[in-house]
Amino acid sequence: EIVMTQSPATLSVSPGERATLSCRASQSVSSNLAWYQQKPGQAPRLLIYGASTRATGIPARFSGSGSGTEFTLTINSLQSEDFAVYYCQQYNNWPPGTTFGPGAKVDIK
Amino acid sequence: EVQLVESGGGLVKPGGSLRLSCAASGFTLSAFSMNWVRQAPGRGLEWVSSISSGSSYMYSADSVKGRFTISRDNAKNSLYLQMNSLRAEDTAVYYCARADVAAAIPYYFDYWGQGTLVTVSS
Repeated sequence: EIVMTQSPATLSVSPGERATLSCRASQSVSSNLAWYQQKPGQAPRLLIYGASTRATGIPARFSGSGSGTEFTLTINSLQSEDFAVYYCQQYNNWPPGTTFGPGAKVDIK
Repeated sequence: EVQLVESGGGLVKPGGSLRLSCAASGFTLSAFSMNWVRQAPGRGLEWVSSISSGSSYMYSADSVKGRFTISRDNAKNSLYLQMNSLRAEDTAVYYCARADVAAAIPYYFDYWGQGTLVTVSS
């Protein structure tokens, strides 16, 4: 099974600043990597797929990069609505199934 | 507008059974594979099971294999999860999620329901 790790676990950022989140896979997942945002009491929302393609309706301040085992989600000029937990997901290997990272929380500094 | 609405969650005793449903609208269900993903309280996301668009292929996580069965009825625009032999560790919010592909292959999930809470406790 591919194990996903995320760092940092918590990132404190001031509104208007940039947030950079990392995701690492235990083996190569090519570009089959997605990012999700989840706010308290809500379902996850797809932000990025294919490592770098923004999903429909996602603002341009969200960007993804990387391939293989190292990936980055960058949020430029953080808005109040961006404070949330972010998960990465690999969908390259099957079985045993798709796996998610443990999540990374972006909170207000 | 794509909508996924789960139902059927609740409190059940260990060893009991529950059937979750997910009502889909705003898109042609038969064109997409569908999935269940769960989230234990205060924890991360865990993929549970996937089913291809025409029900030919189904896959489940090792943690639920032999106990949970995914199914769908495209004519009724519905997805199901039959959960048997429930354990305390199955306690979670269960989300149905659409994958942007017809085959039951690893993929990203582009739409999610709001989830239904399953609590397994005596």
